[in-house]
Amino acid sequence: DAGITQSPRHKVTETGTPVTLRCHQTENHRYMYWYRQDPGHGLRLIHYSYGVKDTDKGEVSDGYSVSRSKTEDFLLTLESATSSQTSVYFCAISDPTGRNNEQFFGPGTRLTVL
Amino acid sequence: GNSVTQMEGPVTLSEEAFLTINCTYTATGYPSLFWYVQYPGEGLQLLLKATKADDKGSNKGFEATYRKETTSFHLEKGSVQVSDSAVYFCALSASGNTGKLIFGQGTTLQVKP
Repeated sequence: DAGITQSPRHKVTETGTPVTLRCHQTENHRYMYWYRQDPGHGLRLIHYSYGVKDTDKGEVSDGYSVSRSKTEDFLLTLESATSSQTSVYFCAISDPTGRNNEQFFGPGTRLTVL
Repeated sequence: GNSVTQMEGPVTLSEEAFLTINCTYTATGYPSLFWYVQYPGEGLQLLLKATKADDKGSNKGFEATYRKETTSFHLEKGSVQVSDSAVYFCALSASGNTGKLIFGQGTTLQVKP
């Protein structure tokens, strides 16, 4: 299994509070991604990073920010959590070469915003 | 834009039945196609992939063929087991992209003994 960990694995918080989720990899992969998984929507990309300090928005980036200060860590921050951000969050990594764009996923973080 | 459409679930089958989960896509250029599987309480794992037209991906008895003429990548297995119960996601990575994946909505498979 690819070395990807996410922390925390579960979190319950209140509306309006800031929340930071952490993704840590030991594979030295260049690309890292944050997705959210919601029933009926599959996985939707929030933000991704293509290198240290290089990030870009995904499909559902509103209300989220990210940072990547070193290769192995990719942080997702909800500046002021809302109930609509209750979801399961997955981190993924990849090292795309040619047409090999396989992504490896972490175990997920279940976030509940009350 | 690029998109992936999967058949609606849940799909309920008896053990040893034949499985088909339909997946069609819309994309410019020549995408790579993937099937991921998610077992209860876990993250996604790559099940199989195909990177060009007419390629067949296979793994653990599952197969899918990249059909450019019908823009499809249907997942099949000849004889399902209870342990195959999971959520299956079809995904594409568009050519020239940053490795970003676009997922279908997922299909839940339940196999009964």
